[in-house]
Amino acid sequence: DQQVKQNSPSLSVQEGRISILNCDYTNSMFDYFLWYKKYPAEGPTFLISISSIKDKNEDGRFTVFLNKSAKHLSLHIVPSQPGDSAVYFCAASRRTLNAGNMLTFGGGTRLMVKP
Amino acid sequence: KAGVTQTPRYLIKTRGQQVTLSCSPISGHRSVSWYQQTPGQGLQFLFEYFSETQRNKGNFPGRFSGRQFSNSRSEMNVSTLELGDSALYLCASSRGGGEGYTFGSGTRLTVV
Repeated sequence: DQQVKQNSPSLSVQEGRISILNCDYTNSMFDYFLWYKKYPAEGPTFLISISSIKDKNEDGRFTVFLNKSAKHLSLHIVPSQPGDSAVYFCAASRRTLNAGNMLTFGGGTRLMVKP
Repeated sequence: KAGVTQTPRYLIKTRGQQVTLSCSPISGHRSVSWYQQTPGQGLQFLFEYFSETQRNKGNFPGRFSGRQFSNSRSEMNVSTLELGDSALYLCASSRGGGEGYTFGSGTRLTVV
């Protein structure tokens, strides 16, 4: 049972345009969501996160939107740059006391930004 | 400030052997989690250690084990290696409160 899904394995956008990466989850106990960027043979790099008490979080060119009723989140990158080309993973966790740290990852979306 | 350090970066082992991977977390981080990344299964949680105790465990066989030392450094051990254990093994550290996970660069294990 895949609790976090990224249904688009790849996305191609033109430099300067908006990139929208989507993620769906099924476990309503998740209350904290993160986006990571990953290059081959490297560890994921944290981009942005959002708590379930919010519906939007913004950091520079990156904005994450959370729709709890739809169990859906999205990452917007504006404007997209060639250096943004990488695999993007969304991840979810449950931040209760003593629950520990356990991230459930989606399968990833490969973003290609064309110059 | 130093990041999460994983050693070795690359490793080649033979089926049936065992292997130990090491992770040094960011200073002050007490939680260390391990993940396995494979092309077919994506990023999967192995286990998490906090203050030398295993706090969470993923759905992996008992051949996969780990431990954490008093300085928060962690080791992961895989015994009786199988070809399917070939993967990138990633370690992540955090303070333990449920946010702020920082990943290391990983150890690429190849089983032949």
